[in-house]
Amino acid sequence: QSVLTQPPSVSGAPGQRVTISCTGSSSNIGAGYDVHWYQQLPGTAPKLLIYTNNNRPLGVPDRFSGSKSGTSASLAITGLQAEDEADYYCQSHDSSLSGHVVFGGGTKLTVL
Amino acid sequence: QVQLVQSGSELKEPGASVKVSCKASGYTFSMYAINWVRLAPGQGLQWMGWINTNTGNPTYAQGFTGRFVFSLDTSVSTAYLQISSLRAEDTAVYYCAREQSTTANDYWGQGTLVTVSS
Repeated sequence: QSVLTQPPSVSGAPGQRVTISCTGSSSNIGAGYDVHWYQQLPGTAPKLLIYTNNNRPLGVPDRFSGSKSGTSASLAITGLQAEDEADYYCQSHDSSLSGHVVFGGGTKLTVL
Repeated sequence: QVQLVQSGSELKEPGASVKVSCKASGYTFSMYAINWVRLAPGQGLQWMGWINTNTGNPTYAQGFTGRFVFSLDTSVSTAYLQISSLRAEDTAVYYCAREQSTTANDYWGQGTLVTVSS
């Protein structure tokens, strides 16, 4: 049972827009902790996609964007492409766990 | 360029120990913490804890105390994860990751598969 809740799966057709939610509580996202997002392609290590809620590392396309509000955060992907098919994870910290790192359960994105 | 290179896959019997290495290059090792993350079959990423590469002080997540030990050899810019008394449920891919000042993990090792089976 993850502290941060993500939908197990989402899907979309090429070119469409999808969003992945990350729902937390007053002890993590709602407490002001930043949210980061990772993309994990099959058989590879996770890759940092969004840091500090809405910032893209160099090289990440602007099709990927992040937002945070209240006790939740979201990852949006526009212009969906086949190569976006992957697992996506949100990450934050939790004050009830001594400020330790917490991950969402992960969301499998399927490009139809 | 920044790289974290982990040791190769391991096959161990229950009750044995394993030590996974994570060698850093391309940056000053002591300036960034190292996190350890587990990906078990059919599950999501699970944070195991982190080690302060400046002081060597480890911090363990709930569920990763006792049998798990983080250590360093700063002379070769390498972090280690040792797991003792291995159980079948320890079968997983283990990742090391460099933590930015923003707390995001910006570079990851390629992962080390540890399989526990008799």
